[in-house]
Amino acid sequence: LAKTTQPISMDSYEGQEVNITCSHNNIATNDYITWYQQFPSQGPRFIIQGYKTKVTNEVASLFIPADRKSSTLSLPRVSLSDTAVYYCLVGVLFTGGGNKLTFGTGTQLKVEL
Amino acid sequence: DAGVTQSPTHLIKTRGQQVTLRCSPKSGHDTVSWYQQALGQGPQFIFQYYEEEERQRGNFPDRFSGHQFPNYSSELNVNALLLGDSALYLCASSLRAYFPTSTDTQYFGPGTRLTVL
Repeated sequence: LAKTTQPISMDSYEGQEVNITCSHNNIATNDYITWYQQFPSQGPRFIIQGYKTKVTNEVASLFIPADRKSSTLSLPRVSLSDTAVYYCLVGVLFTGGGNKLTFGTGTQLKVEL
Repeated sequence: DAGVTQSPTHLIKTRGQQVTLRCSPKSGHDTVSWYQQALGQGPQFIFQYYEEEERQRGNFPDRFSGHQFPNYSSELNVNALLLGDSALYLCASSLRAYFPTSTDTQYFGPGTRLTVL
């Protein structure tokens, strides 16, 4: 299973763009990349998912280089409510169906005024 | 459209007891996965069910077992509880995906906080 490495913590200020980079050197062909946000004592909330290149939704952008050994979550103009733990994970999709997510320890993002 | 629901919200048990946690998936989803999240850690995959069978399993002992019902809801059972089983138990649902034609997105419920005394 591909292991992910991301910074333990990051600090930012309201209105700034935040980029969190995740390393997944041994990502396999069947693997895809997903980012989740989690607030204390709540279940993780899906942010964005991608396989290669760039993906953008109303919340964030995900940049994946051609070798797929890393990915960067970009949060535009963060606010205090974006203070949370962000997990980068590589999901294994089995050719026979089914999937498996492996979470790391995540990045604690703290946004201040 | 109801999201993933879990019950109960909180639960307190003593060592050696057994516990059952319940999960109802998001409408339209057929796959349920269970995770254990200890304080300060990321969620750890326990197992995944679809078509009423356990399909994938993480590194958890046989004390952890589950079930999926025809309506896709699921139960997680833990026997002979240990202090170390105290954690937030998360259920996630998704629509079964087949690489490379589709990927899935797992949606998580709010979790059940289990405390073992």
